[in-house]
Order: sequence, then C-alpha cells, then structure tokens
Amino acid sequence: GAGVSQSPSNKVTEKGKDVELRCDPISGHTALYWYRQSLGQGLEFLIYFQGNSAPDKSGLPSDRFSAERTGGSVSTLTIQRTQQEDSAVYLCASSKHLANYGYTFGSGTRLTVV
Amino acid sequence: QKEVEQDPGPLSVPEGAIVSLNCTYSNSAFQYFMWYRQYSRKGPELLMYTYSSGNKEDGRFTAQVDKSSKYISLFIRDSQPSDSATYLCAMSAQTSNQFYFGTGTSLTVIP
Repeated sequence: GAGVSQSPSNKVTEKGKDVELRCDPISGHTALYWYRQSLGQGLEFLIYFQGNSAPDKSGLPSDRFSAERTGGSVSTLTIQRTQQEDSAVYLCASSKHLANYGYTFGSGTRLTVV
Repeated sequence: QKEVEQDPGPLSVPEGAIVSLNCTYSNSAFQYFMWYRQYSRKGPELLMYTYSSGNKEDGRFTAQVDKSSKYISLFIRDSQPSDSATYLCAMSAQTSNQFYFGTGTSLTVIP
C-alpha cells in the first residue's frame, strides 16, 4: 500500500483481556518497528524486525508482550492479560533496510484498558 | 538520565515568527539525527534528517547539529498556523536498530 496501515485505530478492552494489534508495512520495506507512545512520554521502542533475521525484542516491557511478522510483511503485536498501564498509542513504522534515514509511521492504534 | 531530553513546551507563537526547537542528548555515539512532526491523532512524519554535525536547510526549516555540545535544533522561519503540531527529535547510533526519541514539543502558531 501507499503507507503503513494499522488496525484497529482505536481499541477499548477490559483489564485482563488479550489484544492483537495489526500492522501492514509499506510494500518492499524489509524493516518493521513497533513503538509505544504514552502521554508525556517519548516514543518507547518495543521490537524490531529485519527481513528473515531474528527480531530485536529488547524493548518489550514484559513477557505479556509478543510480536510476530509473517512472510516478511504483516506484523501482529499481542498483549496478554492487559493492564491499565498498557494504555497508550502503539505505533508501527517501516523502512527499507536499516532505518538510519528515517521511518514511515502508521497512524497508530490507541489502546485503552479499562 | 534520559538518552534524549526535549522541553515539552507548550510553545505558542504568532504567525510569521521564527521558532526554535531544541534537544540535548547524552550518548556521544549518536550520528543520525531527525525531526518528526506529529499532528493530533496521527503518526509522526519525518521532517528533517541530518547525519553527523552541521546544518541542513529545506524550505522554511533548518536543522542544526552540534555534536561537541550534544545539542540539536530545528528552526522554523515564517511560521504558519499549519505548523501547529508536536515536534519530536530522534537520534540513533551507527549500528543501532532503534531511534531514541524526545518527548516532543507542542507548538501552536496563532494566526
């Protein structure tokens, strides 16, 4: 597609439920990133995928968070047993190769845990 | 200490003013520097990119990097109401998989 597509755009879930957030990167972009943006906080790196290499999961805040990328394209971020502190905007970005020249971000999924 | 520090503002200026936005950082390995603009309820949009030290100009926007002071700036000339947004600085080391972002500065340009 023309840009990075994320769905859903908004998600309200009850504490303790699992959620899945989807990212469809720009066609041909081999690198895919997930970031989290909380109110008053900078973007927090979560995970990075590059081609067929093992993902860099160093930013995942707990084992409740996981992500996968199928076929080198679409990625899903899963949060199990959601907590109120998980409420944030989850942003996906993609780039060609290593993103030293910048990413293209999607519009994000706004997650609210009640 | 955070990797990147950015004054959150908010900053309010009249239309036509020159705006100066700044970030400081602590990691001397950072070599790639960017500015993103983020409108409400949208993802960040890449505005300017600079490698290492120096200046870069693009229309009304100028990015400056001073690696000796670990300080970067974004200048907006002849500011317009459409420039009203949150501006995020970001930076990365040569071999890093991630960018480190500032918290963003909220800018409002008043017509």
